[in-house]
Amino acid sequence: EAQVTQNPRYLITVTGKKLTVTCSQNMNHEYMSWYRQDPGLGLRQIYYSMNVEVTDKGDVPEGYKVSRKEKRNFPLILESPSPNQTSLYFCASSFIISSYNEQFFGPGTRLTVL
Amino acid sequence: AQKITQTQPGMFVQEKEAVTLDCTYDTSDQSYGLFWYKQPSSGEMIFLIYQGSYDEQNATEGRYSLNFQKARKSANLVISASQLGDSAMYFCAMREVWGNQFYFGTGTSLTVIP
Repeated sequence: EAQVTQNPRYLITVTGKKLTVTCSQNMNHEYMSWYRQDPGLGLRQIYYSMNVEVTDKGDVPEGYKVSRKEKRNFPLILESPSPNQTSLYFCASSFIISSYNEQFFGPGTRLTVL
Repeated sequence: AQKITQTQPGMFVQEKEAVTLDCTYDTSDQSYGLFWYKQPSSGEMIFLIYQGSYDEQNATEGRYSLNFQKARKSANLVISASQLGDSAMYFCAMREVWGNQFYFGTGTSLTVIP
């Protein structure tokens, strides 16, 4: 089954404790991206990657790191989480074909930073 | 400036009636794609419909149609014959071909009333 998986789905942590949210897709997509969703703000892009070893900042990259060592995986790293990073996080992937690249979303990770 | 603007935080519609969800966008690119996604209360992001900037006809997918007015930079979603299962958040999004970011609006919460 074609899908984007994220782990964990729920995470409660404390300020400053490094964490990684994994993202994996099995559709051979070149493009992968991370978003955070906050009430009233919609989805905002954190980082995206056009292919292996190619990553770029989105609109809200501060406090986050990513890596793309393999085509299928795109982990999101919070080296020192803070309460303002409490949010719902989505990973997404797509092909890069002209302007049409419907993104397939993972199920989301709800992160709470205390 | 906001790339995507959704001015209706919440909408109500009677079951079986049609409803229009507004979306305006801001870009100076000639080539771009516009998307609508649905997010039910369960949280997943579901792709609904796509419109390319060079498409001359409005996109349709079942009960969903996209009212694309390029000169006005609007891409409104029309849902015909609303069903109770249409109650959800709806997000408008855009990708500029020569940029690699996706931009989402703040969303519209639609409630279908029996």
